Amino acid sequence: QKEVEQDPGPLSVPEGAIVSLNCTYSNSAFQYFMWYRQYSRKGPELLMYTYSSGNKEDGRFTAQVDKSSKYISLFIRDSQPSDSATYLCAMRPGGGGADGLTFGKGTHLIIQP
Amino acid sequence: EPEVTQTPSHQVTQMGQEVILRCVPISNHLYFYWYRQILGQKVEFLVSFYNNEISEKSEIFDDQFSVERPDGSNFTLKIRSTKLEDSAMYFCASGASDENQPQHFGDGTRLSIL
Repeated sequence: QKEVEQDPGPLSVPEGAIVSLNCTYSNSAFQYFMWYRQYSRKGPELLMYTYSSGNKEDGRFTAQVDKSSKYISLFIRDSQPSDSATYLCAMRPGGGGADGLTFGKGTHLIIQP
Repeated sequence: EPEVTQTPSHQVTQMGQEVILRCVPISNHLYFYWYRQILGQKVEFLVSFYNNEISEKSEIFDDQFSVERPDGSNFTLKIRSTKLEDSAMYFCASGASDENQPQHFGDGTRLSIL
């Protein structure tokens, strides 16, 4: 069983739509959750960083964590063509900054003008 | 905004040769990492480095690989006896001194082994 599952897409939506991106995981040791955005030929860019179950909002982005279901989501409101990118979920156990991140495969998002 | 810088952006090397990938982490960060992304696959953790020594490493990080912080600003990944399957994007990341802070990534070095 893969540690982190993420639908690779592509996911194509019209401009202005609400986008929902999701990851599931199997390892209950994961305590810290991140969403990164990756443009072509660029490195992952941190969007959201969460620890607790519940919601965290930053501008048009909302990250949601449900540890009981081992399920995390990223919502993008009022989506823009510039949001077109690959979105990576990542997670790590708690307790140490030395822990490497475990990534999902990424969802390729296309926002149609 | 501070950023992680990686050089070169693209490295082409003959199979069997040694290659050194370079990174300048964010200046006040104390945790350093290398990741690999083979084309079409997930980003994979290789190694973390703290206080001038390896903290964690994955199964991928075998004797072919080594890391070093040769001075106060650079962090390097050396790959010896390169193989075709080492072709990938290699990302450096750094994290602040607070161990619960997120990791920030550079734009990567694309390594092509011929």
